[in-house]
Amino acid sequence: GQNIDQPTEMTATEGAIVQINCTYQTSGFNGLFWYQQHAGEAPTFLSYNVLDGLEEKGRFSSFLSRSKGYSYLLLKELQMKDSASYLCAVRGTLFGGYNKLIFGAGTRLAVHP
Amino acid sequence: EAGVAQSPRYKIIEKRQSVAFWCNPISGHATLYWYQQILGQGPKLLIQFQNNGVVDDSQLPKDRFSAERLKGVDSTLKIQPAKLEDSAVYLCASSLIGLRQGPYEQYFGPGTRLTVT
Repeated sequence: GQNIDQPTEMTATEGAIVQINCTYQTSGFNGLFWYQQHAGEAPTFLSYNVLDGLEEKGRFSSFLSRSKGYSYLLLKELQMKDSASYLCAVRGTLFGGYNKLIFGAGTRLAVHP
Repeated sequence: EAGVAQSPRYKIIEKRQSVAFWCNPISGHATLYWYQQILGQGPKLLIQFQNNGVVDDSQLPKDRFSAERLKGVDSTLKIQPAKLEDSAVYLCASSLIGLRQGPYEQYFGPGTRLTVT
């Protein structure tokens, strides 16, 4: 089966650090993506991991452990504009080699002053 | 670079009516995706096109949903007849290539919010 788990909601304070976890069980693995989605808007790409380890991009970092089926998104120096849903998505492969993204339900992050 | 365009942005219909959504992907993107996102859930893939061919429609309710991408560019998604549970945001996305190599992220359009009453 295919399953992606994320916490439903998190709250944090402006300027703080927050870690959003994602665990997955999927048939086939060809990378893990994190997307940000503000209310009423389209998801936008944040990060991509295909090998184990940490990928850093400014205030955002993403970590992957393929053996544990685990990833996290780390947001530093939180700003009010970071209030959004964060979607974890695993890319599996279809017959013929085409990609397929399977999304988790998302984690709704609220940043407070 | 222009993003993924979708129309309409909002649509309200009664159950059993039909509705169509349109999507124009980013120029040069061979792969086009239609997703359904119900409130509080992540996007669920309905159908994936590679150029004008379907590579995955396993989660498309084919008794009421249909989609086409005739010339390998823009695409339409149709629902006929609509049910209450079809109320959702329908997102179109495109990517440069759909094959396994590379971090080819998907770019999403603004979505169409459908309300079925």
